[in-house]
Amino acid sequence: AQSVTQLDSHVSVSEGTPVLLRCNYSSSYSPSLFWYVQHPNKGLQLLLKYTSAATLVKGINGFEAEFKKSETSFHLTKPSAHMSDAAEYFCVVSYDNQGGKLIFGQGTELSVKP
Amino acid sequence: GAVVSQHPSRVICKSGTSVKIECRSLDFQATTMFWYRQFPKQSLMLMATSNEGSKATYEQGVEKDKFLINHASLTLSTLTVTSAHPEDSSFYICSAWKGSSGGAGETQYFGPGTRLLVL
Repeated sequence: AQSVTQLDSHVSVSEGTPVLLRCNYSSSYSPSLFWYVQHPNKGLQLLLKYTSAATLVKGINGFEAEFKKSETSFHLTKPSAHMSDAAEYFCVVSYDNQGGKLIFGQGTELSVKP
Repeated sequence: GAVVSQHPSRVICKSGTSVKIECRSLDFQATTMFWYRQFPKQSLMLMATSNEGSKATYEQGVEKDKFLINHASLTLSTLTVTSAHPEDSSFYICSAWKGSSGGAGETQYFGPGTRLLVL
């Protein structure tokens, strides 16, 4: 079955330090991969997406992610965390034969300490 | 990016009443809209897929007679929670998808969500 695993339910970093949110997917098909961010009681905002072009994807707010097919991973990184980055992050996968359905990871809560 | 609105943003109702939630794509036509629910501290759970002019497709375990979905136009889908009970209290989120022109990589745009509390 196709699935997405976010390896950490909660990540805590200090302001100004790097952020790493890990995501692995499982499928033999070529996926489209997304990272969405959700602030409390808000909808989801797209950070970035991978759709079989460049494997290193740059997104908004300084985030980027690298698609590694050999590792079936799509980890999200940011060189320097900001207090406003504190939120819930979802790794999401989609496939061409699924009619647009998204498969969500469990989510990672990012806390940023001053 | 494209804008999707939801109305209302928050609703409190009595047990046994019905609640309608609207999802609108404001600046594009959405071939497909999706409805999710999200419990506190959990991920989004897909409830149903709504295509304009056709019946919605419900995920396993979602009662179609309880969660009525109507997709009357390419910019509007509605979710009606019928005879709501306290266990239906949740955060309901819709998303709009332009369609297959971009394949699976075509971005879905999410609404801001509707917080439903059933007393």
